[in-house]
Amino acid sequence: SQQGEEDPQALSIQEGENATMNCSYKTSINNLQWYRQNSGRGLVHLILIRSNEREKHSGRLRVTLDTSKKSSSLLITASRAADTASYFCATDAFENAGNMLTFGGGTRLMVKP
Amino acid sequence: EPEVTQTPSHQVTQMGQEVILRCVPISNHLYFYWYRQILGQKVEFLVSFYNNEISEKSEIFDDQFSVERPDGSNFTLKIRSTKLEDSAMYFCASGLYRGNEQFFGPGTRLTVL
Repeated sequence: SQQGEEDPQALSIQEGENATMNCSYKTSINNLQWYRQNSGRGLVHLILIRSNEREKHSGRLRVTLDTSKKSSSLLITASRAADTASYFCATDAFENAGNMLTFGGGTRLMVKP
Repeated sequence: EPEVTQTPSHQVTQMGQEVILRCVPISNHLYFYWYRQILGQKVEFLVSFYNNEISEKSEIFDDQFSVERPDGSNFTLKIRSTKLEDSAMYFCASGLYRGNEQFFGPGTRLTVL
């Protein structure tokens, strides 16, 4: 798989349930960022986790990072219909001079009311 | 809350024509980026820009592309002679420091006919 691959590709849950999305990557990173994109719209920044961090929280979001497994997860707790969107992880690889972000293919989350 | 803005929201052009996509990054940010997303595909890095010069560029960013920060607020992407395969959503992003969050604009949808 390529740098920054999410799994699953699609996830459908009921409102109130938790949603977990996973991201795997290949190279050493400075940080990993999660974004949300509503259909055909812009990318909304959710959270950044640095390579020396293991877990971060922001509201209903919890992100973990395991650099030994080169993986990250995004947990959305108590999901709402408004959380329906695509979620992307993006890695800032250590080797890059210009901080380019490499995006995964995303997880399409549908939260049913 | 400050945000990245982009104009136009949608640009339609004929193959071979030049287009300029405009972005106003967040005012105190120092690092600027262009990405693109072809419909149904991943977000791809094009170029990063800092201190009035390109920091890094991808293979996509060939001689047909150029970037400029003509004044203290705008950041532009020029495509000299558009091709059909340039049709995509183009996102501008900015960041305060190297290795920090990158905040994206709403995008310009470019359609090349």
